[in-house]
Amino acid sequence: EVQLVDSGGGLVQPGGSLRLSCAASGTTLRDHHMDWVRQAPGKGLEWVGRIRDTAEGSITDYAASVKGRFTVSRDDAKNSLYLQMNSLKTEDTAVYYCARRSCRSGITNCFSDYWGQGTLVTVSS
Amino acid sequence: DIQLTQSPSFLSASVGDRVTITCRTSQDINNDLVWYQQRPGKAPKLLIYAASILQSGVPSRFSGSGSGTEFTLTLSSLQPEDFAIYHCQQFKSLPLTFGGGTKVEIK
Repeated sequence: EVQLVDSGGGLVQPGGSLRLSCAASGTTLRDHHMDWVRQAPGKGLEWVGRIRDTAEGSITDYAASVKGRFTVSRDDAKNSLYLQMNSLKTEDTAVYYCARRSCRSGITNCFSDYWGQGTLVTVSS
Repeated sequence: DIQLTQSPSFLSASVGDRVTITCRTSQDINNDLVWYQQRPGKAPKLLIYAASILQSGVPSRFSGSGSGTEFTLTLSSLQPEDFAIYHCQQFKSLPLTFGGGTKVEIK
């Protein structure tokens, strides 16, 4: 059974840093693109960034709102995904989810089929 | 960026009702659209991908249709466990984007 467990959230002051983790079991993260998605309180879902699978060179991509401040990485030995968040702003307050991407055929018709339970990040002074 | 507009943003319905939610995209995305269900305090759950393919284990009362820029999610007979928020997402190009969500509440 595939399971993703998010952790590392908490309260941090504006300008501070935090590292989120996503521990996987039942799946090998390096074989999938992995996304981070966030949801501000009472708001919709927002894609944050991703790391591609090893076949695509583990390249990372980011939303404009976090580019230069957030970094997605993966530890293949630990089968875990990370989101390093620096220079945090109050508008980064949200529940953060990791999600596994799968595709129906090649690189088209993709979807996020497994999600972590989410971890809450609160940026406040 | 591809913008997704869901409508309605809120709907009130009764058990047994047929419900339709629409997602319109600002660009042609072929059929690269996904629907999720999100219950309070939970992560999104995949319902439909490639606009119309039902994810394994999802009840057949859920169906999706559309291509290009207009898509629909239909629940043929609303059940108590279906009261939730529904999100559409496009996987055509980065940045991945979501609709604003549709909250389905009990009338």
